[in-house]
Amino acid sequence: DAKTTQPTSMDCAEGRAANLPCNHSTISGNEYVYWYRQIHSQGPQYIIHGLKNNETNEMASLIITEDRKSSTLILPHATLRDTAVYYCIVREYNTDKLIFGTGTRLQVFP
Amino acid sequence: DTGVSQDPRHKITKRGQNVTFRCDPISEHNRLYWYRQTLGQGPEFLTYFQNEAQLEKSRLLSDRFSAERPKGSFSTLEIQRTEQGDSAMYLCASSLVVGAPETQYFGPGTRLLVL
Repeated sequence: DAKTTQPTSMDCAEGRAANLPCNHSTISGNEYVYWYRQIHSQGPQYIIHGLKNNETNEMASLIITEDRKSSTLILPHATLRDTAVYYCIVREYNTDKLIFGTGTRLQVFP
Repeated sequence: DTGVSQDPRHKITKRGQNVTFRCDPISEHNRLYWYRQTLGQGPEFLTYFQNEAQLEKSRLLSDRFSAERPKGSFSTLEIQRTEQGDSAMYLCASSLVVGAPETQYFGPGTRLLVL
């Protein structure tokens, strides 16, 4: 089973920041948090991952709380093309597979 | 830099027929994964290869399913005697393991419909 919980859906106005929360209260010290997104009928797209520190790349920022029990993915200026299902995944240490939950459906509106 | 490619993108078949899907990973990626995704659910792991060796298989992978990666490059996933419950999106991902953690990159998927 997935080790994360995410809201089922969220809305965001175009041009505003989208903040997607994820709870992973049972995360272990050596487990990474990964974010993927899936636009309708396409394969999942890698966004970002992190362990302890906050991370930023050209797509998004990942904020991980100090106790690592939750994280937030931030899309700084959401566009209509960011409408997708966003998956937060805790990469378990002793496994190589990704265990997806049902994700958050983000709807960006004009 | 080409991404992961999958062929065909769509497949419609009749129950009882055999189907085969192909995945071409990103060049020089040594790991290749297969996942299955049904409507409204996240992808579920099926199996993965490191080079040509199949290292793990999910219990979702029944005896009717077989996967190969003969030369450590492309992979095939075959489903024998298809059933309506096999209708799903079959996703392939690849990664390069040079140390932890690896990042898996997904292909566009093959959508299978069994009538």
